[in-house]
Amino acid sequence: EVQLLESGGGLVHPGGSLRLSCAASGFTFSAYAMGWVRQAPGKGLEWVSVISGSGGSTYYADSVKGRFTISRDNSKNTLHLQMNSLRAEDTAVYHCAKCPGGIWSGYYSYFDYWGQGTLVTVSS
Amino acid sequence: QSALTQPPSASGSPGQSVTISCTGTSSDVGGYNYVSWYQHHPGTAPKLMIYEVSKRPSGVPDRFSGSKSGNTASLTVSGLQAEDEADYYCSSYAGSNNLVFGTGTKVTVL
Repeated sequence: EVQLLESGGGLVHPGGSLRLSCAASGFTFSAYAMGWVRQAPGKGLEWVSVISGSGGSTYYADSVKGRFTISRDNSKNTLHLQMNSLRAEDTAVYHCAKCPGGIWSGYYSYFDYWGQGTLVTVSS
Repeated sequence: QSALTQPPSASGSPGQSVTISCTGTSSDVGGYNYVSWYQHHPGTAPKLMIYEVSKRPSGVPDRFSGSKSGNTASLTVSGLQAEDEADYYCSSYAGSNNLVFGTGTKVTVL
């Protein structure tokens, strides 16, 4: 059974940093691209970032480019999202999600399994 | 990249059908057959219901179907059941390795 468990959320001041983690199990982690999708309070889903199975390719939404860094440790089946220069508009539940293929492309541009998410609140 | 447009709400009685639209542009929905649909009960993990416009993952009931015409994709839920009450989101590949989600539709089973 595929399981994705996010951690690392919390309250942070504007301009601060936070690192999210996602522990994966139930599948061959290194074979699949992984991503993050967020949902601000009362809002819809927003794609944030994706990393290929090997970790060699990364992709970001314009809203987080230059501030967030996605990475993965295939030896520990763990996905990370380093978030810097946080803004109030980054407040959201961040979901970790698995892609159906090892790369991110049009054909594989969806998520077949998701975690429940971790809440990040950016406020002074 | 602007969010795809969905109606805020839709409803139907048990056993009836409800159809949710997802309108984009020729740069996303209309340009690719890579539309997906997700069911989300708040506080839980979203669930993939449809991918590549009309394909169902294993385990998803055939009451759920997807289609696309031009820049608009649609999700139809037939034979509505109480457990279908949830938020539904579409998504589409938008080129250059970008993904865009819809604004979301809350489905209520009357």
